[in-house]
Amino acid sequence: SQQGEEDPQALSIQEGENATMNCSYKTSINNLQWYRQNSGRGLVHLILIRSNEREKHSGRLRVTLDTSKKSSSLLITASRAADTASYFCATDVGAQKLVFGQGTRLTINP
Amino acid sequence: DTGVSQDPRHKITKRGQNVTFRCDPISEHNRLYWYRQTLGQGPEFLTYFQNEAQLEKSRLLSDRFSAERPKGSFSTLEIQRTEQGDSAMYLCASSLGGNTQYFGPGTRLTVL
Repeated sequence: SQQGEEDPQALSIQEGENATMNCSYKTSINNLQWYRQNSGRGLVHLILIRSNEREKHSGRLRVTLDTSKKSSSLLITASRAADTASYFCATDVGAQKLVFGQGTRLTINP
Repeated sequence: DTGVSQDPRHKITKRGQNVTFRCDPISEHNRLYWYRQTLGQGPEFLTYFQNEAQLEKSRLLSDRFSAERPKGSFSTLEIQRTEQGDSAMYLCASSLGGNTQYFGPGTRLTVL
């Protein structure tokens, strides 16, 4: 079963705009991670936020975590065509494995 | 390139045949994970190793599936008597302890 649910399932925006994706999960977590996957390729780790953190930045990425609402968001600012990919949140529930959501398919239009 | 490699990248086989995939993790990583991903879905956990010990297996891993990590370095995942439902991307990841998991490029299996 999948713990996380991403919203929206698909997002299409113009280059230069900001993209926001949301993730909700069901159980308590140690940390939450975001991954990117280009079509037919492996996953690339973007950012990890621990359960005691509320916000984290990495370059054009901003991640927030609200453990009371069991939700997280990923913001990509000043989007580029190369950001076109699927984005997954994955929760570490302390069971030595990651539980992934279904992902958000992001399309950046030139 | 994350440093995790998988071989082969693509495998087409006929139903009923056996297939084996290999994963080479980042050299100093003691944990190795296998996931399966079907089209339009997120990866689902199959099994993981700490060094050479297989410590957890998902219920998704039927008795037709077996994984090994004989010397605590590379790992193999074998599927016996393949079925069309086994068609998926098989992803390997490694980590140092419980830290960030780094994924390989995956092996795409197509069962005809």
